[in-house]
Amino acid sequence: GQQLNQSPQSMFIQEGEDVSMNCTSSSIFNTWLWYKQDPGEGPVLLIALYKAGELTSNGRLTAQFGITRKDSFLNISASIPSDVGIYFCAGQLQNSGGSNYKLTFGKGTLLTVNP
Amino acid sequence: DSGVTQTPKHLITATGQRVTLRCSPRSGDLSVYWYQQSLDQGLQFLIQYYNGEERAKGNILERFSAQQFPDLHSELNLSSLELGDSALYFCASSVGDTGVSPLHFGNGTRLTVT
Repeated sequence: GQQLNQSPQSMFIQEGEDVSMNCTSSSIFNTWLWYKQDPGEGPVLLIALYKAGELTSNGRLTAQFGITRKDSFLNISASIPSDVGIYFCAGQLQNSGGSNYKLTFGKGTLLTVNP
Repeated sequence: DSGVTQTPKHLITATGQRVTLRCSPRSGDLSVYWYQQSLDQGLQFLIQYYNGEERAKGNILERFSAQQFPDLHSELNLSSLELGDSALYFCASSVGDTGVSPLHFGNGTRLTVT
């Protein structure tokens, strides 16, 4: 089945630093999504990418859909303490019938920001 | 607030028992998805319903079943519970079934099997 490799597994950074994390896949995806999960809550959608090569920003967050459609990265600039959490990438392959195919999630990147 | 409501928030039960988890999707969303999150396996897709019909199945055990009702809320039934079923169970919803409508997650039900 499809597998996503997300790295790094965890990061410890100082407030104000930039952060980069990425996901690679053995399969081609049509959609890449990035989610953040805070303790005790469900994942919250940060950025959705629908086209190979697409670069999308959401405030201090920037994500790109790789040209090969097998990878994506997420950058966070000028980190702040509330950026702490687990960041998940997710890839989706739409089947030929147009039905929503299952999302495959990476194992997550745990981000800790020291004030 | 994602608009997806899950109850209960916590559930503690014994092995061999059966439980039902409930999910109300965001207003207007027709698709409901169930995911299991454990420390070692991450987020695992269980099953998807769209407008009352099962649409996709993932790694869902035969002891588990789900359904989506006419009012679009969904229930996940877990039976003959084992210790290894302890996990966070998330429900998510999306507008459609086209692959271009991102999922919005509820806050989960934490199941502890003792």
